[in-house]
Amino acid sequence: EIVMTQSPATLSVSPGERATLSCRASQSLSSNLAWYQQKPGQAPRLLIYGASTRATGIPARFSGSGSGTEFTLTISSLQSEDFAVYYCQQYNNWPYTFGQGTKLEIK
Amino acid sequence: EVQLVESGGGLVQPGGSLRLSCAASGFTFSSYDMHWVRQATGKGLEWVSTIGTAGDPYYPGSVKGRFTISRENAKNSLYLQMNSLRAGDTAVYYCACGAAGTGAPTHWGQGTLVTVSS
Repeated sequence: EIVMTQSPATLSVSPGERATLSCRASQSLSSNLAWYQQKPGQAPRLLIYGASTRATGIPARFSGSGSGTEFTLTISSLQSEDFAVYYCQQYNNWPYTFGQGTKLEIK
Repeated sequence: EVQLVESGGGLVQPGGSLRLSCAASGFTFSSYDMHWVRQATGKGLEWVSTIGTAGDPYYPGSVKGRFTISRENAKNSLYLQMNSLRAGDTAVYYCACGAAGTGAPTHWGQGTLVTVSS
């Protein structure tokens, strides 16, 4: 099973600033990596798939990069609605697995 | 508009069984891979099962042999039969869909809560 490790566990950033979230895989994923946003009481929302392709309707301030075992989600100019928990997920090998999440909080 | 509505959650005793359902609308159900993902209260996301368009099921070790995923394309419905339930299965169970052959679901339901407790 591929282990996904996200860092940091909590990230404190001021509105308008940039946030950079990291995700590391225990083995190569090629580009089979997705990012999700989850707010309290809500289902996850797909942000990025294929490591760098934004899902339909996702604002351009969200961008993904990386391949192999190291991936990054960048949110430029944070808006109030962006404060949430973010998960990475690999779909290169079954069973699909998630990282433990990064909580993005207001500084 | 894509809609996924889960039902069937509730309180069940350890060792018991429960069947979850997911009613889908707004897309060509038979052409999409369907998934179940769960989340214990205050915890992260855990993949439970996937069924492809050909009906091929996938399970992680934590539920293999206890859970069975199935789909009924004529009814635009997805199911999860859960047997031999344990306290560790307590979670919100989400139904999700994604394009065939991709592993990143684009749409998710709001979830149904399963509580395993005596």
